Amino acid sequence: QKEVEQNSGPLSVPEGAIASLNCTYSDRVSQSFFWYRQYSGKSPELIMSIYSNGDKEDGRFTAQLNKASQYVSLLIRDSQPSDSATYLCAVRYSGYSTLTFGKGTMLLVSP
Amino acid sequence: DTEVTQTPKHLVMGMTNKKSLKCEQHMGHRAMYWYKQKAKKPPELMFVYSYEKLSINESVPSRFSPECPNSSLLNLHLHALQPEDSALYLCASSQEVGYEQYFGPGTRLTVT
Repeated sequence: QKEVEQNSGPLSVPEGAIASLNCTYSDRVSQSFFWYRQYSGKSPELIMSIYSNGDKEDGRFTAQLNKASQYVSLLIRDSQPSDSATYLCAVRYSGYSTLTFGKGTMLLVSP
Repeated sequence: DTEVTQTPKHLVMGMTNKKSLKCEQHMGHRAMYWYKQKAKKPPELMFVYSYEKLSINESVPSRFSPECPNSSLLNLHLHALQPEDSALYLCASSQEVGYEQYFGPGTRLTVT
């Protein structure tokens, strides 16, 4: 069964610090990986997609993909209290057309 | 523009009611999805439409009936729901099935 594993948290970081969120998945051939941010009571918002090994940067966000080790990470630099949310990792497994979501990691950024 | 709209925002219905949820996107996406999300859980896929045809039904009870009138619209018809069906119902769309998905704001459904 295809699963996506995330630490449920909460991950607590002080304002201005780097928050590191991790996600592991269960095969080496999957191609598509996504990070969503979800505020309490709101819908998921796509913040990053990554398809190749290495780093992808977008503003304060960096997604890191390591297919050999089967993990994808999201780094948030200069964390702000407004970054406090649940971050969902989603994987499109090879041979599947839909996304498999992890259970999400709650991030708390304290002022 | 990556906007998906959903109506209504909130819905309260009795177990004998019939209601519909609506979703619309104008991004030219050819795949649309319905998800159900309970508190502190990830979204759970219900249905996938690709090019206006139902391509995936994740063994959803027949009291949920999807409809795709055209490439921009997706409806979810609700009938004889149970209290455990209370949840946030999310619509999403993507360029094609399997591509990055964009979610609407959701409909908060309460079944009494």
